[in-house]
Amino acid sequence: EVQLVQSGAEVKKPGESLKIFCKGSGYTFISYWIGWVRQMPGKGLEWMAMIYPGDSDTRYSPSFQGQVTISADKSISTAFLQWNSLKASDTAIYYCARHASLGRTVDYWGQGTLVTVSS
Amino acid sequence: QSALTQPASVSGSPGQSITISCTGTSSDIGTFNYVSWYQQHPDKAPKLIIYDVTNRPSGVSNRFSGSKSGNTASLTISGLQAEDEADYSCSSFTSSSTLTFGGGTKLTVL
Repeated sequence: EVQLVQSGAEVKKPGESLKIFCKGSGYTFISYWIGWVRQMPGKGLEWMAMIYPGDSDTRYSPSFQGQVTISADKSISTAFLQWNSLKASDTAIYYCARHASLGRTVDYWGQGTLVTVSS
Repeated sequence: QSALTQPASVSGSPGQSITISCTGTSSDIGTFNYVSWYQQHPDKAPKLIIYDVTNRPSGVSNRFSGSKSGNTASLTISGLQAEDEADYSCSSFTSSSTLTFGGGTKLTVL
């Protein structure tokens, strides 16, 4: 059974850094793109980025390029999303998403990580 | 890349059929047959219900179907049931080798 288990909720202050993670299991981690999707409070889904753990190739949405960094450690089947300086507007639920069909659809989702940025 | 365009809300009565549209451009929906649809109940993670325009993952009801014409994809739900009340979002592969989502549509079962 494919499972994506994400790190727990975070409360941070503006300007702080943060790294959240997503551990995959039940499939060959290095063979599928894995990425992140943002959902701001009461809003729709926004695709952020994905990484192919097999060779660390990455793709970013233009909206998020330079704002976050995606990475993966294939030795522990875990993907990460990192911010260097959080803003209040980063407050959202972040879903980990396994991408199937060579990155063309999301077939499995993590449970979501709520990130709250407030002074 | 811009988000795909969906209606904010649709509604229907039990047993009826509804259709949700998802409009993109020639850089996404118009070029690629990689449109997916997701169902999201309140406070839950999304769930894939349609991929590659028309395909249903194993376990998804055949009351859900997808289609595409030009730059617009559509999701049809037939025989509406109370449990179908949820948010529905589309996604498409893009010419930048990324994904883009629609803004989501809230389905109300009257």
